[in-house]
Amino acid sequence: SQELEQSPQSLIVQEGKNLTINCTSSKTLYGLYWYKQKYGEGLIFLMMLQKGGEEKSHEKITAKLDEKKQQSSLHITASQPSHAGIYLCGAASYEDSNYQLIWGAGTKLIIKP
Amino acid sequence: DGGITQSPKYLFRKEGQNVTLSCEQNLNHDAMYWYRQDPGQGLRLIYYSQIVNDFQKGDIAEGYSVSREKKESFPLTVTSAQKNPTAFYLCASSIGQSSQFPQYFGPGTRLTVL
Repeated sequence: SQELEQSPQSLIVQEGKNLTINCTSSKTLYGLYWYKQKYGEGLIFLMMLQKGGEEKSHEKITAKLDEKKQQSSLHITASQPSHAGIYLCGAASYEDSNYQLIWGAGTKLIIKP
Repeated sequence: DGGITQSPKYLFRKEGQNVTLSCEQNLNHDAMYWYRQDPGQGLRLIYYSQIVNDFQKGDIAEGYSVSREKKESFPLTVTSAQKNPTAFYLCASSIGQSSQFPQYFGPGTRLTVL
């Protein structure tokens, strides 16, 4: 079955520094979603990417989907303590014409003051 | 405020007991989903429903049951047949089941079997 590889598994970053999280698939993705989760809470939707080469930004977070639609990156500029949490990518694919949503295992982000 | 609510936030169950987790949405979404989240793993789909009175098994449906009698409600029952039910359960909904519609999540229910 198709998998979504997310890297790194965890990340410790000094406050104010930039960081990047990656999400990779071996197959074409038809929708790529980024979510943020605080421990013990639900997932908060951040952004959705659908087109190859698409890039979206919200405040200090930028997400990109590559031209082949197999890899996405989430970049945080000038990190703040509020950025700490678990970031998950989810992606829509079609297996034998059947829609399915697959998930990465998450990246745990810790911001050091 | 539109959103998804789950109750209770914490639930304790004795072995051999069935327990039902509530999920309600007022977003007027057609599709609803139940996921299980275990430490260090991605979300695993238990059941989903695209429309009222219809639902489909996900990847790990054994030991679980659902109903979809109303558009806004999608309760999940964890039965005694579920061998390892201790986990964090997340309910989600979307406008429809398509790549153009992201899923929106509730706050989750943490179930612990004593």
